[in-house]
Amino acid sequence: EAQVTQNPRYLITVTGKKLTVTCSQNMNHEYMSWYRQDPGLGLRQIYYSMNVEVTDKGDVPEGYKVSRKEKRNFPLILESPSPNQTSLYFCASHSMGQNTEAFFGQGTRLTVV
Amino acid sequence: AQKITQTQPGMFVQEKEAVTLDCTYDTSDQSYGLFWYKQPSSGEMIFLIYQGSYDEQNATEGRYSLNFQKARKSANLVISASQLGDSAMYFCAMREGPYSGAGSYQLTFGKGTKLSVIP
Repeated sequence: EAQVTQNPRYLITVTGKKLTVTCSQNMNHEYMSWYRQDPGLGLRQIYYSMNVEVTDKGDVPEGYKVSRKEKRNFPLILESPSPNQTSLYFCASHSMGQNTEAFFGQGTRLTVV
Repeated sequence: AQKITQTQPGMFVQEKEAVTLDCTYDTSDQSYGLFWYKQPSSGEMIFLIYQGSYDEQNATEGRYSLNFQKARKSANLVISASQLGDSAMYFCAMREGPYSGAGSYQLTFGKGTKLSVIP
């Protein structure tokens, strides 16, 4: 089954404690991205990757890092989380092309206290 | 300027009635794609329908259709015969053409419309 898998689904952490949210896709997609969703703001792109070892900033990259060492994996790293990073996070992937549907992970609800 | 505008934060519709969710977009590209996603209360993002800028006909997928008016830059989602399970957030999104630059495959989302179906 084609899917994007994120882990964990829920996470409560403390300010400053480094964390990683994993994302893996099994569709051999070149393009992967991370979004955060906040009430009233829709989904905003954090980082994206167009292929292995190729990553770039999206609209709201501050406080986040990513890596793309393998095509299937695209982890999101918060080196020093802060309360304003409390949000719902989505990983998405799609093949290159304008009309290709993006597949989303189940979402990770992160709370930073 | 916002690239995707959804002007209805919330809407109500009677079960079995049709409903239109508005979406306008802003782009200078000739080639772009428009998407609608549904997000139920469980949180997952579900792809509903796609319309390409060069598509002559409006897209349809079952009870979903897209009313595409290119000159007005609008891509409204029409849900026919609403069901209780249609209650959810709905997001309109756009992907601009492949020559727009490094972020050209980015999906830009609107802020969403919360649809509530009343029995």
